[in-house]
Amino acid sequence: GAGVSQSPRYKVAKRGQDVALRCDPISGHVSLFWYQQALGQGPEFLTYFQNEAQLDKSGLPSDRFFAERPEGSVSTLKIQRTQQEDSAVYLCASSLEAFGTGKNIQYFGAGTRLSVL
Amino acid sequence: AQTVTQSQPEMSVQEAETVTLSCTYDTSESDYYLFWYKQPPSRQMILVIRQEAYKQQNATENRFSVNFQKAAKSFSLKISDSQLGDAAMYFCAYRSAGTGNQFYFGTGTSLTVIP
Repeated sequence: GAGVSQSPRYKVAKRGQDVALRCDPISGHVSLFWYQQALGQGPEFLTYFQNEAQLDKSGLPSDRFFAERPEGSVSTLKIQRTQQEDSAVYLCASSLEAFGTGKNIQYFGAGTRLSVL
Repeated sequence: AQTVTQSQPEMSVQEAETVTLSCTYDTSESDYYLFWYKQPPSRQMILVIRQEAYKQQNATENRFSVNFQKAAKSFSLKISDSQLGDAAMYFCAYRSAGTGNQFYFGTGTSLTVIP
């Protein structure tokens, strides 16, 4: 597609429920990033993929968070046993080049707003 | 970790006037990139302007320009001839050129454009 697409746009989950958030990056983009944006804050880095390889997951807040990009294109961020503090907007971004190369411009999706009740 | 500070939670500007949004950052690195992103209510972050730290010349993109002061670690955004469509949250972001692949974002400035 023309841009980064994320689904669903909104997700309401009961505490303890598992959720899966999807990201379709721009076709051909090598790098894919996930961010968590709490209300009134800037995005905070969660994890980074170069093609199918997850090269950096240092931002994942707990082992309840898991991300994958099995074929180097679509990525899924999974949150197990959701807690109220997981409520946030989850942003996905993709970049044409691999780590450390090129213009390093990230193109963002519109995010998924997760509300945990 | 690097920190990015935006000290103005909210700013307003009259339509057609000029406004400057402030950003400072803390780093021990010499080579890095700085960005301004715009986030409208649709939530989609849009790149406004980008600056490479090794370039002394300030970046410009049409009505948007930056004042990059490397020694002071300051990176302000100037919007000239403000338009109603400029109303949004603006985030300053830092990315190392050498290590890691993280973007560090500030907390944002909400810009209101008054008709």
